Amino acid sequence: AQSVTQLDSHVSVSEGTPVLLRCNYSSSYSPSLFWYVQHPNKGLQLLLKYTSAATLVKGINGFEAEFKKSETSFHLTKPSAHMSDAAEYFCVVSPSGNTPLVFGKGTRLSVIA
Amino acid sequence: NAGVTQTPKFRVLKTGQSMTLLCAQDMNHEYMYWYRQDPGMGLRLIHYSVGEGTTAKGEVPDGYNVSRLKKQNFLLGLESAAPSQTSVYFCASSYVGVGTEAFFGQGTRLTVV
Repeated sequence: AQSVTQLDSHVSVSEGTPVLLRCNYSSSYSPSLFWYVQHPNKGLQLLLKYTSAATLVKGINGFEAEFKKSETSFHLTKPSAHMSDAAEYFCVVSPSGNTPLVFGKGTRLSVIA
Repeated sequence: NAGVTQTPKFRVLKTGQSMTLLCAQDMNHEYMYWYRQDPGMGLRLIHYSVGEGTTAKGEVPDGYNVSRLKKQNFLLGLESAAPSQTSVYFCASSYVGVGTEAFFGQGTRLTVV
């Protein structure tokens, strides 16, 4: 079965410091991987996606993620956190590209002024 | 271009009542999905559809039914609501193909009392 594990349910950082949200996946195929963000009481917005091209993927709002096949990881990073980054972040896998997305349980990011 | 629209946005039901949630997309997407979001559980797939007239079960299908009579609409039905179905429901749609992301509606908050 395909799955995604987000290693932290809650991450708290100070404004201006780096952000690291960790995600490991398992997939029998060459997967597509995504990060989505959900601000309070809002829908989900795509941050970035990996589809077997460049292993370092840049997304919106300064976020990026690196696909590491040897570690089966797809961690999300940002050099400097902003207050507006406070939200829930979901790591998502599409196991074979044409199958429904499988979500991790989410990581809540808090940003402290 | 509205994207994915869910109706209604909020609803309170009594145990045993029935209701239908409507999802409409105007992007000509083949795939449509219904997820439920519960605290600490991420998004879990209820049912999905890979085209007009077709539906399939997801991870948590019990107590729900779906129909896709038109390509742009995907209906989720609760025949006899239970308190365990209190949740936020998200509809999504996507194109066919490797690495295609899903676009989400704003969600329906359902409370069953």
